[in-house]
Amino acid sequence: GQNIDQPTEMTATEGAIVQINCTYQTSGFNGLFWYQQHAGEAPTFLSYNVLDGLEEKGRFSSFLSRSKGYSYLLLKELQMKDSASYLCAVRDSNYQLIWGAGTKLIIKP
Amino acid sequence: IAGITQAPTSQILAAGRRMTLRCTQDMRHNAMYWYRQDLGLGLRLIHYSNTAGTTGKGEVPDGYSVSRANTDDFPLTLASAVPSQTSVYFCASSDVSGGGTDTQYFGPGTRLTVL
Repeated sequence: GQNIDQPTEMTATEGAIVQINCTYQTSGFNGLFWYQQHAGEAPTFLSYNVLDGLEEKGRFSSFLSRSKGYSYLLLKELQMKDSASYLCAVRDSNYQLIWGAGTKLIIKP
Repeated sequence: IAGITQAPTSQILAAGRRMTLRCTQDMRHNAMYWYRQDLGLGLRLIHYSNTAGTTGKGEVPDGYSVSRANTDDFPLTLASAVPSQTSVYFCASSDVSGGGTDTQYFGPGTRLTVL
């Protein structure tokens, strides 16, 4: 079956750096997405990786290793507004997104 | 309208009743999707449409139906609601043009409770 694994919850301190990991086993691979979802709101797009390596976008970076079925989202200079759930999703061979359950990130002052 | 809108925002429904959740986008995206999100689970695809006039089944289609009469609208119907359909429902759209990221953009969601 298809599976996306990410930690359920993480805690970090304001101003620090946090890395959220995602491992996947899917039938085919056509890209990996990270979304941010604040409580009670819709998911919003953060990043996309289809080739191995690091994609940097401001305070957020996303890394992909296709051979290892692994990605991470790196958040730098954490702010209180970064408290949210972070969703990892992989597009499979049918071009459908398979979603992880999300990682709830709690930022403490 | 800007982006994707969904209606209603929330609804409490008696079991056995019929309910249609509305979704409208103004981005002229060709593909649209319906997901449900339950605590502790990832988003699960209910139905999708790659272009107006076509629809397909996702991971959890039973008890739901959709139609795509035009580009902008993609309603989701629960023919006879059951308590297990209590969930938050998200509509999404993407521009599946080939060669791009085909990123999905989400509406604000509908919180449905079936009693």
